[in-house]
Amino acid sequence: GENVEQHPSTLSVQEGDSAVIKCTYSDSASNYFPWYKQELGKRPQLIIDIRSNVGEKKDQRIAVTLNKTAKHFSLHITETQPEDSAVYFCAASNRGRYSGAGSYQLTFGKGTKLSVIP
Amino acid sequence: DAGITQSPRYKITETGRQVTLMCHQTWSHSYMFWYRQDLGHGLRLIYYSAAADITDKGEVPDGYVVSRSKTENFPLTLESATRSQTSVYFCASSEFQVDGELFFGEGSRLTVL
Repeated sequence: GENVEQHPSTLSVQEGDSAVIKCTYSDSASNYFPWYKQELGKRPQLIIDIRSNVGEKKDQRIAVTLNKTAKHFSLHITETQPEDSAVYFCAASNRGRYSGAGSYQLTFGKGTKLSVIP
Repeated sequence: DAGITQSPRYKITETGRQVTLMCHQTWSHSYMFWYRQDLGHGLRLIYYSAAADITDKGEVPDGYVVSRSKTENFPLTLESATRSQTSVYFCASSEFQVDGELFFGEGSRLTVL
């Protein structure tokens, strides 16, 4: 099955600086890569996602890049703010490769705790 | 618009007891999921369901039972709770199987003494 590695596990940045979180995946058939943000005591929420036919996607201060050859993808947050402090999870899935029972294939990384220091 | 709700939000039980965590969604999403979240392990899938009466195992299914008699409900039962099942449990739903947004409930914090 798929294996997703996420680094770093913790990250501290000064307010206004950029933050980068990296993930690698093992299954070359994976084609969907979402990122979820979980604030302390809250539920995870999707913040951005990218599909394998796209190399980069931006949404205001956040962007995700994908390198299919190297099998890694990254989350970039620019001009960080205190409200960006949270745990971020990457995930990878290969929709369409499997079907039937046992076919669900969305695998999460273990998370990165981002702290933005005012 | 309630979305997806879980109950109870907090539960303390003893080893060997049966516990049921409830999950209800109002969007009529076909897919529903149960995850557990533990420090150092991220989110791990316990069970999922593609539709009413269709369920399947995820990564860590041992010790858990699910059912889905109605599209909107997906209860998770721990038949004989163990201390290793102390965790935060999240229910989620999605319109699509794997490449759509997961909508998570607020979570249920379970402590097994």
